Amino acid sequence: GAVVSQHPSRVICKSGTSVKIECRSLDFQATTMFWYRQFPKQSLMLMATSNEGSKATYEQGVEKDKFLINHASLTLSTLTVTSAHPEDSSFYICSARDPRGSSYNEQFFGPGTRLTVL
Amino acid sequence: AQKITQTQPGMFVQEKEAVTLDCTYDTSDQSYGLFWYKQPSSGEMIFLIYQGSYDEQNATEGRYSLNFQKARKSANLVISASQLGDSAMYFCAMREGSLGNQFYFGTGTSLTVIP
Repeated sequence: GAVVSQHPSRVICKSGTSVKIECRSLDFQATTMFWYRQFPKQSLMLMATSNEGSKATYEQGVEKDKFLINHASLTLSTLTVTSAHPEDSSFYICSARDPRGSSYNEQFFGPGTRLTVL
Repeated sequence: AQKITQTQPGMFVQEKEAVTLDCTYDTSDQSYGLFWYKQPSSGEMIFLIYQGSYDEQNATEGRYSLNFQKARKSANLVISASQLGDSAMYFCAMREGSLGNQFYFGTGTSLTVIP
């Protein structure tokens, strides 16, 4: 199946700093990528839909000024957590749909990034 | 209302036995897709199996099969011959519409395989 990578896999930062997480589709072009957040022992919650060449679409309750999303190319989307606080500590997962022909319309997930804010 | 409901927070199964993980869904769309993902402790989401709303036969992928009961809006995952490596979180998800992008996830079921 298609491959999606994320970098970094783990990051620890001090409160008040900003953290950038990269999501790349390695063998296909993704016009749309998705960012999810998962708290311990909970489900994945969609934060935003990242659209190449246009603004991201944020889910209700997600602060767009805090979680900056940039879909700079057809293979790269970045999520920047600005002025991070301990409550932002979570597991962030991106996904992308491979448009090349699966009838599943499935999403391929990156391996996730575990953010810890001290 | 919840789009996806998984009522079993935790399940135990003896190695080599079969186990069924429950999933019910709620949608008014005629076209939709149902997915099961496995999430081991490493965190990656591993795609297991897919069932389309128009598929008449239950999907199967190796030891995984999906018991699709459309009238009941249920899409239970059956794992046969459980292995120790099957211990993980399992998420049921739904995509609405044929071109829909958004996935709705259930709360997950933690499966533990006992030797």
